[in-house]
Amino acid sequence: AQSVTQLGSHVSVSEGALVLLRCNYSSSVPPYLFWYVQYPNQGLQLLLKYTSAATLVKGINGFEAEFKKSETSFHLTKPSAHMSDAAEYFCAVSEWRGANNLFFGTGTRLTVIP
Amino acid sequence: GAGVSQTPSNKVTEKGKYVELRCDPISGHTALYWYRQSLGQGPEFLIYFQGTGAADDSGLPNDRFFAVRPEGSVSTLKIQRTERGDSAVYLCASARGGDYGYTFGSGTRLTVV
Repeated sequence: AQSVTQLGSHVSVSEGALVLLRCNYSSSVPPYLFWYVQYPNQGLQLLLKYTSAATLVKGINGFEAEFKKSETSFHLTKPSAHMSDAAEYFCAVSEWRGANNLFFGTGTRLTVIP
Repeated sequence: GAGVSQTPSNKVTEKGKYVELRCDPISGHTALYWYRQSLGQGPEFLIYFQGTGAADDSGLPNDRFFAVRPEGSVSTLKIQRTERGDSAVYLCASARGGDYGYTFGSGTRLTVV
């Protein structure tokens, strides 16, 4: 089965600084990859997804992620953090391309310091 | 509707009782998913419906858990003889057929006391 590792359960950045949230997956076969954001008391919202040959994926709210097969990674970045980015972020992977269920990481809580 | 609706938002029940959790997906979404999120964890897959049928129920933890979607729209997750370990947030998500990247509801927080 697939697994996802999110390094760092908590990440703090200053407002305006680079955001980097790490995600590594286990499969040797490139799956589909996703990043979700969860604000307090809300459902998960899709930030972006990788399902094609384009390895740099742009999402909502200025976030982007790069699929690196050689590193089995799909790290999430944003050039300049805003206070509104404070939330929990989850990386997820499909079992295989086209599988319907997702495997989620344990999440990274992002704190933005004014 | 505009989003995925889950009711109730909170449910407290006594150990051993039966509970039903409801999910109303986005209109026209044929795929529906149930996930469970325990404290400090990411969501864990339970079951997937394509239309009325359960296409994949491999994530259901045991036979106390059951889900239905009789008309291909609203789904109900049913838990019999609840245990304290069932306490979690139960998330529902829906998607258009063939689309990857679900829309999640806000979840039902189940507390078994």
